Amino acid sequence: DAKTTQPNSMESNEEEPVHLPCNHSTISGTDYIHWYRQLPSQGPEYVIHGLTSNVNNRMASLAIAEDRKSSTLILHRATLRDAAVYYCIRGGGSNYKLTFGKGTLLTVNP
Amino acid sequence: SAVISQKPSRDICQRGTSLTIQCQVDSQVTMMFWYRQQPGQSLTLIATANQGSEATYESGFVIDKFPISRPNLTFSTLTVSNMSPEDSSIYLCSVEDGFLAGGRNEQFFGPGTRLTVL
Repeated sequence: DAKTTQPNSMESNEEEPVHLPCNHSTISGTDYIHWYRQLPSQGPEYVIHGLTSNVNNRMASLAIAEDRKSSTLILHRATLRDAAVYYCIRGGGSNYKLTFGKGTLLTVNP
Repeated sequence: SAVISQKPSRDICQRGTSLTIQCQVDSQVTMMFWYRQQPGQSLTLIATANQGSEATYESGFVIDKFPISRPNLTFSTLTVSNMSPEDSSIYLCSVEDGFLAGGRNEQFFGPGTRLTVL
């Protein structure tokens, strides 16, 4: 049970922003929200994670709802290389295991 | 960050045989994990490879089928035993490296081993 809900697929155009939603309505107070992505024929790679506040790094931004029941991964300018399956994962504290759901397949159109 | 290599990158095996997959990390890490990704599916955690002790298996996975070794902090092996076509998957090694203050560690994944069982 991945305990997160994501759309199966999304499409974007190159150089446009992309907002990938994730629902985690049963999240506990100590669970972090992690995002990983898996490019074709590669292992997953870490994108970003956060607890309560919005987070930014060189790859993306993570916007977390005030009630923490949902979050949005933001890619500010999609490139063709961003085409991948994006996984939203909840967990944290002493729970080091990653439980992958089905993720969102992002297609980026040139 | 950690750099992870896996051997072999792919293999085609006959049913009833066994294959050992190696995972090598370029630095010492505390946590190492083995995942399986069946065709068109997401990743499923098989087990946590513990250094100096028996691996910790997830529900549905047993040591007789997937024996794991972890002789030191940079190396682990996963054996897929008595293989059947249902074992055809990508097997991935991952490690947890470093410590992000106040949260979980970031996991780094190897490139995977693509196994086909005939």
